[in-house]
Amino acid sequence: QKEVEQNSGPLSVPEGAIASLNCTYSDRGSQSFFWYRQYSGKSPELIMFIYSNGDKEDGRFTAQLNKASQYVSLLIRDSQPSDSATYLCAVNIQGGKLIFGQGTELSVKP
Amino acid sequence: DTGVSQNPRHKITKRGQNVTFRCDPISEHNRLYWYRQTLGQGPEFLTYFQNEAQLEKSRLLSDRFSAERPKGSFSTLEIQRTEQGDSAMYLCASSSNNRAANEKLFFGSGTQLSVL
Repeated sequence: QKEVEQNSGPLSVPEGAIASLNCTYSDRGSQSFFWYRQYSGKSPELIMFIYSNGDKEDGRFTAQLNKASQYVSLLIRDSQPSDSATYLCAVNIQGGKLIFGQGTELSVKP
Repeated sequence: DTGVSQNPRHKITKRGQNVTFRCDPISEHNRLYWYRQTLGQGPEFLTYFQNEAQLEKSRLLSDRFSAERPKGSFSTLEIQRTEQGDSAMYLCASSSNNRAANEKLFFGSGTQLSVL
């Protein structure tokens, strides 16, 4: 089992819809969870982080964490074509490093 | 704050040659990380430093790979006797001294290595 798992996609949503991206992780001791956005040919950019169970909202983005289910998700409301990118879930393991999932490619169609 | 800087942006080399990459982190950051990314995959952890101390190195990392951060500022990643399988984007990231923020990584633009 991989330490951090995501569906690779591609996930296609129409403009204005809600995009839902999911991630599971294997280490129950993980405390910190991150979402990075990566445009094609560019480096990852931090867009959200969450430490506690529940929801955390920032603009059109909402991160959701359920530690009991070892599940973290990212919702993007009112999706725009400019949101088309690969979204990487990352989990802090053993306090020192981030482990990334393989990423989910999102395509927002006008 | 000029961000994380990596050089060179691209490197083409022949199999068997040695290559060295440089990373300059954000100036006030004391943690520095190296990751490797291939097409369609997420970044793969290689190693990280806190100041000049190398705290962890991936068990999957070949002995041909070595990294240094001699004065706790910039870092170099060297690959000896390159192989075609080493072709990838090599990403450097840094994070803040602040304990609450030291898990938030900021990435450089990466060095794209092609081994022919």
